[in-house]
Amino acid sequence: NAGVMQNPRHLVRRRGQEARLRCSPMKGHSHVYWYRQLPEEGLKFMVYLQKENIIDESGMPKERFSAEFPKEGPSILRIQQVVRGDSAAYFCASSPGQGPEKLFFGSGTQLSVL
Amino acid sequence: AQKITQTQPGMFVQEKEAVTLDCTYDTSDQSYGLFWYKQPSSGEMIFLIYQGSYDEQNATEGRYSLNFQKARKSTNLVISASQLGDSAMYFCAMRGLNSGNTPLVFGKGTRLSVIA
Repeated sequence: NAGVMQNPRHLVRRRGQEARLRCSPMKGHSHVYWYRQLPEEGLKFMVYLQKENIIDESGMPKERFSAEFPKEGPSILRIQQVVRGDSAAYFCASSPGQGPEKLFFGSGTQLSVL
Repeated sequence: AQKITQTQPGMFVQEKEAVTLDCTYDTSDQSYGLFWYKQPSSGEMIFLIYQGSYDEQNATEGRYSLNFQKARKSTNLVISASQLGDSAMYFCAMRGLNSGNTPLVFGKGTRLSVIA
C-alpha cells in the first residue's frame, strides 16, 4: 500500500514564476492537509481539503496561493508569482477522516526560489 | 485554538540511555489528541505515538512512551535505550476533537543528538 506521494521532491523557480506541487494521498484517504516548514521551524498548517471541497484554508495566504483536490487526480498546491520568502519545504498529509487518527505525511517538496 | 510549546531547542543523550523530550499544550477543547512525530535529516515525518485526552493509561509504543499529565497539560516523550538512529528532530502536535476533523498544530520541535 503506497504511502502519501509528493512530487516533485525538489522544485526550483525564479521569482515571478508559478510553482505547482502535487500530492497523491494514501489509497482510501479522502482528507488532505498541506503544511509549510521553514528551516529549523515546526510545520505550519496551510489548508485542509476533502474531495472537491476546501474545508479550512485559514493558514493559507490570501494572495498567490491556491489549493484544490479534484474528484480525480492528486491534490495541487499552486503558488503564483513566487517570491524568495516562499522558499520552504511543503508537506502534504492525508487521513481517512474517521476520528482522531494520525496524519500520514509525504516526503515533502523543497521549493527554492532564486 | 490550540498551542504547542516545546522549550528544548536541542538535547543530547548518550547511546543506550533514556531521554525525555518536553511538550506542553494549551487548548479549549474538552476532547483532543496528542501526537509525536520524528523528522530525520532526510526530511520525512514519521509518526511515533498517540495519546487521547481521555486515555487513562500512558501510551507506549516499543521504546517510546508518553508521560501524560492532563492537569499540567503536558505530554512528554520518553525514549528508552537511545540509539544513534534516534538522532532527529522531534515534533509534538495536537488536534482538537470537539468539532470534527481539525488540522494538527505543531510545536517548534526539539533536535535530539545521540552520542556514541
